[in-house]
Amino acid sequence: DGGITQSPKYLFRKEGQNVTLSCEQNLNHDAMYWYRQDPGQGLRLIYYSQIVNDFQKGDIAEGYSVSREKKESFPLTVTSAQKNPTAFYLCASSQGRVEETQYFGPGTRLLVL
Amino acid sequence: EDQVTQSPEALRLQEGESSSLNCSYTVSGLRGLFWYRQDPGKGPEFLFTLYSAGEEKEKERLKATLTKKESFLHITAPKPEDSATYLCAVPSGNTPLVFGKGTRLSVIA
Repeated sequence: DGGITQSPKYLFRKEGQNVTLSCEQNLNHDAMYWYRQDPGQGLRLIYYSQIVNDFQKGDIAEGYSVSREKKESFPLTVTSAQKNPTAFYLCASSQGRVEETQYFGPGTRLLVL
Repeated sequence: EDQVTQSPEALRLQEGESSSLNCSYTVSGLRGLFWYRQDPGKGPEFLFTLYSAGEEKEKERLKATLTKKESFLHITAPKPEDSATYLCAVPSGNTPLVFGKGTRLSVIA
């Protein structure tokens, strides 16, 4: 059953702590994306990767970091430099080109304690 | 700057009351317009892609249309299960999709 999995569903962060959100896909897609969604807002692009070992910053990359060591995996780290991390985080993938259909995972909700 | 604007922000319909959602865009050289449905607390679900003015696509009670400046998502005889937020998005230059803020649809039985 192909798809995108994100874990955990809920994540809590303490002040000064880095946390990592997991995203895995078994669709054999080349490109993967991370978005942030705040209440009443559209999706805002954090980072994206079109190929293994390469990634580009999106509109709101400050305070976040990513890696793409495997085609199937694109983890996102929310660092302590991100002062307002509370949001719903969505991972997506597409076959390759940026204009192709993106398919989304179920999301991770990050809350700050 | 390329932009995507959706209207209305929220729409409340009675079951069976047809209506339309609007997505207007300003991009140079459209390379596709995407519609998604998002239920609360879940990831967006892909609905349609439209590529050229005059194109139409249908799925159950939904029909998406495209002109040179905007797209409409027509909902015919909606049911309560159609309640969701509907998002549209377009690619912008060499970067991935730019999303609108969405239209929150509520269908009341």
